[in-house]
Amino acid sequence: KNEVEQSPQNLTAQEGEFITINCSYSVGISALHWLQQHPGGGIVSLFMLSSGKKKHGRLIATINIQEKHSSLHITASHPRDSAVYICAVDLDQFYFGTGTSLTVIP
Amino acid sequence: NAGVMQNPRHLVRRRGQEARLRCSPMKGHSHVYWYRQLPEEGLKFMVYLQKENIIDESGMPKERFSAEFPKEGPSILRIQQVVRGDSAAYFCASSPQSQKNEQFFGPGTRLTVL
Repeated sequence: KNEVEQSPQNLTAQEGEFITINCSYSVGISALHWLQQHPGGGIVSLFMLSSGKKKHGRLIATINIQEKHSSLHITASHPRDSAVYICAVDLDQFYFGTGTSLTVIP
Repeated sequence: NAGVMQNPRHLVRRRGQEARLRCSPMKGHSHVYWYRQLPEEGLKFMVYLQKENIIDESGMPKERFSAEFPKEGPSILRIQQVVRGDSAAYFCASSPQSQKNEQFFGPGTRLTVL
């Protein structure tokens, strides 16, 4: 049983497209995180959310606590956005989604 | 202001050897978390430590794996008698004393067991 489900698993987009990655979770949480893992393997924390919406540059993250759902949006996508995006929920520990592999083609 | 440091970045061991992975948290952080990412799988929590204390080790395999975070020095994840299935990327994260939720990740150690 996965506490966190992400979709899609793989996503290919043309440069400039608007991208949405979805995350659903099955339990009550204190916070949800979006992480970015680059091809080199390093992990960067993008957002920590407990309600509403956050924006950082071209990245927007939203969360609906009632529906247990979060989305990560990328506007005006660029090839450097190519990475794996991972959703994680914070219960007593972190539970991770399996990630969405994004490839942005020039 | 250095981030979370992990070393080595790459580690190759033969079956039966020991692997020691080190994690130096960000300055001022006293909480350390270890995660494992198996090939083609997602990240999985292993253990959560504070200085000189193991807080939660529910994600640690029962045998061969141990972790410590001494009063001085880095946190160490130790794997004894490694097997091929231990080959994975091991990530460490740290958080400030009062903010368990906000974690900063290290670059990871890629362990390959031959």
